Amino acid sequence: EAGVTQFPSHSVIEKGQTVTLRCDPISGHDNLYWYRRVMGKEIKFLLHFVKESKQDESGMPNNRFLAERTGGTYSTLKVQPAELEDSGVYFCASRGKRVNSPLHFGNGTRLTVT
Amino acid sequence: GDSVTQMEGPVTLSEEAFLTINCTYTATGYPSLFWYVQYPGEGLQLLLKATKADDKGSNKGFEATYRKETTSFHLEKGSVQVSDSAVYFCALTIDGGSQGNLIFGKGTKLSVKP
Repeated sequence: EAGVTQFPSHSVIEKGQTVTLRCDPISGHDNLYWYRRVMGKEIKFLLHFVKESKQDESGMPNNRFLAERTGGTYSTLKVQPAELEDSGVYFCASRGKRVNSPLHFGNGTRLTVT
Repeated sequence: GDSVTQMEGPVTLSEEAFLTINCTYTATGYPSLFWYVQYPGEGLQLLLKATKADDKGSNKGFEATYRKETTSFHLEKGSVQVSDSAVYFCALTIDGGSQGNLIFGKGTKLSVKP
């Protein structure tokens, strides 16, 4: 089975521009998560989708970040306008419905804002 | 709030050396504890887990024991290999073990030299 895929793998943009990251979870996984690792710091939870609904978005840093999950399949995370402190690696993860089903991570998107 | 503290890296060892990466946590309630590993160019993978006090998680020669009295979950391996070079993340969740809303440590980079 295909794993969690993220696109692009790297993105370099200027401050003030817009970037959209995409995550394709494992087929059939209802739960989708976004995490972010800023350089040298912890990986931080951003939000959790169950199908197309936002279950928990308590980790979203501010309203420059917008996450969507159209039809409960792939998800996008848009940053608009990007700031320097948004640089980091953005991870997506998915898991199935069962409570103890394992979490599968994508390879991440490395975002650099200059 | 809930948090994870793990030893700062990088850690450089020779092949067949003994490895310990310390991890301590602060949590309300009864967390489940995890070690994730990120190999170069790849996403995070679950290495091992423990869901209650005194449980020992083990995988690929790595072990960690959930110590409630010391709030610790130290990762150990008796004889490391070059292929173990990676970044290791200690993490916890307090949502019944579903692993979704994980709280991570900062990560410890391990380099194993032949």
